[in-house]
Amino acid sequence: GAGVSQTPSNKVTEKGKYVELRCDPISGHTALYWYRQSLGQGPEFLIYFQGTGAADDSGLPNDRFFAVRPEGSVSTLKIQRTERGDSAVYLCASSFGDFRNEQFFGPGTRLTVL
Amino acid sequence: AQSVTQLDSHVSVSEGTPVLLRCNYSSSYSPSLFWYVQHPNKGLQLLLKYTSAATLVKGINGFEAEFKKSETSFHLTKPSAHMSDAAEYFCVVSPEANFGNEKLTFGTGTRLTIIP
Repeated sequence: GAGVSQTPSNKVTEKGKYVELRCDPISGHTALYWYRQSLGQGPEFLIYFQGTGAADDSGLPNDRFFAVRPEGSVSTLKIQRTERGDSAVYLCASSFGDFRNEQFFGPGTRLTVL
Repeated sequence: AQSVTQLDSHVSVSEGTPVLLRCNYSSSYSPSLFWYVQHPNKGLQLLLKYTSAATLVKGINGFEAEFKKSETSFHLTKPSAHMSDAAEYFCVVSPEANFGNEKLTFGTGTRLTIIP
């Protein structure tokens, strides 16, 4: 079956611009997670959805970052007034959100802010 | 709070020799522990997971890891390295409390190089 997909695979933008990154989770997965991986580092948690609601957004670095999941499936990570420090690979993962306890990761979106 | 420390940023082994990637964890709860692998230009893939059942966990591609509570360690091993094992490996911790409805905390990664 299809895995987690993310679009675009690469995004280049200029400082100060607005970007949207999309995640399509595995069908039937109720939980969805966003992580950010900077060069040479492990992924860092940003936000987690259970259904349509954000259950934990403690990892969002500041109010320029926002994510939605309006119908409990596809999610969009939105970054306003991008800064060069936002350059990273943004990873999405999904899971059944229960005892099966495995997050399946997408290939990521590489964001470059010039 | 929870964290993991991967003790080696880079490990090189010869093909056919054993692999040992070291990980220590810190968690306020009885944790779930994972190892993920990341090949270049590919997504993260789960190798194995520990969730308070057997302390010796077997994963894919011949990897295994042993949970040692007294040492707060979860080292990853493989008896014989293969060229295809060259990748970045991440040790990961999650609180067990909500059965997986939790954020993962990743280590900084260990890059495994296989020498032909």
